[in-house]
Amino acid sequence: AQSVAQPEDQVNVAEGNPLTVKCTYSVSGNPYLFWYVQYPNRGLQFLLKYITGDNLVKGSYGFEAEFNKSQTSFHLKKPSALVSDSALYFCAVRGNGTSGTYKYIFGTGTRLKVLA
Amino acid sequence: GAVVSQHPSRVICKSGTSVKIECRSLDFQATTMFWYRQFPKQSLMLMATSNEGSKATYEQGVEKDKFLINHASLTLSTLTVTSAHPEDSSFYICSARDGKVAGAIFTDTQYFGPGTRLTVL
Repeated sequence: AQSVAQPEDQVNVAEGNPLTVKCTYSVSGNPYLFWYVQYPNRGLQFLLKYITGDNLVKGSYGFEAEFNKSQTSFHLKKPSALVSDSALYFCAVRGNGTSGTYKYIFGTGTRLKVLA
Repeated sequence: GAVVSQHPSRVICKSGTSVKIECRSLDFQATTMFWYRQFPKQSLMLMATSNEGSKATYEQGVEKDKFLINHASLTLSTLTVTSAHPEDSSFYICSARDGKVAGAIFTDTQYFGPGTRLTVL
């Protein structure tokens, strides 16, 4: 079955501290993995993706994510959190749709709250 | 990065009317666009996959006659909610798939529109 799990509904972190938002996935074949961020009443903004190559992927706004094939994880990280990072974060994996098409499966989202 | 616009951003309509939402990729061509629905504090629910020049593929449980999708060009897809009812009130988000071949790698990223808040009275 194709799925994405974000085990934490909310993550609280103090400003300046490192943050981690967890994601695990289940998909057949080589995964295409993505992280998106959503601010209130807005669409999703692309942060980063893993398709192939280095397991550590760097993206927008200082975020990075580490692909771990053995643990089927793709955790989002940032060395030093900012209050402005507070938002809803979605992990996604590209899976198989119908008739040979692709579809994207999203996790349930993790709300990040960075405290000043 | 690639930009996707969505119009309108907010619409309020009476029950029984139809509402059209436009999704445009502004600086790239998108052979595939997706339509999602998001309920408060929940994840995105894929409604349908829209392919340019062909019929949309609907997810299980989504009424194709109620949610009409047209993808007439490489930069425009429309979602029409026909005979809208209060239970159709939601946040609708489109995305456009930017698939490029960069060397030996096929890059594949969705870029999302800002969303449309539909309220049916």
